[in-house]
Amino acid sequence: AQTVTQSQPEMSVQEAETVTLSCTYDTSENNYYLFWYKQPPSRQMILVIRQEAYKQQNATENRFSVNFQKAAKSFSLKISDSQLGDTAMYFCAFMKTQGGSEKLVFGKGTKLTVNP
Amino acid sequence: GAVVSQHPSRVICKSGTSVKIECRSLDFQATTMFWYRQFPKKSLMLMATSNEGSKATYEQGVEKDKFLINHASLTLSTLTVTSAHPEDSSFYICSATESSSYNEQFFGPGTRLTVL
Repeated sequence: AQTVTQSQPEMSVQEAETVTLSCTYDTSENNYYLFWYKQPPSRQMILVIRQEAYKQQNATENRFSVNFQKAAKSFSLKISDSQLGDTAMYFCAFMKTQGGSEKLVFGKGTKLTVNP
Repeated sequence: GAVVSQHPSRVICKSGTSVKIECRSLDFQATTMFWYRQFPKKSLMLMATSNEGSKATYEQGVEKDKFLINHASLTLSTLTVTSAHPEDSSFYICSATESSSYNEQFFGPGTRLTVL
């Protein structure tokens, strides 16, 4: 079974600085998707960034970028120029395919606090 | 686009009663809908996957007779918690995918269930 591990339960960063959230996963699949989701205090899940395993190029979305190391099964999220609105729980997720439906397997999350 | 709603956002019920939670895709047809449960400060746990017109597929350890899922149309799925008990109190989140969504799951805002 696939597993996703986020080893940092909590992190904090000063506004305007850069922070990196770690994520590792375990799978025997060769093709899959990886995601970072943000859950602010409102608890609405918001997709931050997505990476396809067959693409070597790291995904980037404005201030958010990933460092995808397929051989090491590592998928870290870098947030540049942190803003107060980035304060949230961040979940790393792996998408596997079973029975034709696409399931998400989530890590336990990292609580990020951006300090003014 | 790709908006998912849930109703109600918050519900309080007495032990032994049944509660129905609705999940609707507002501007797209959802080929698959997912139901998650989230305990305080914890990650999302997948409960079941449902496709329109067919029986839901439940994850291991989730009681089918306790959590009834009906996916009657391409825009509506319902989760009924039957004979609710205090231990069923939790935050329930649904998500939906469409065929053109590039495997992205669109999440609803969640429903807070409190069983007294």
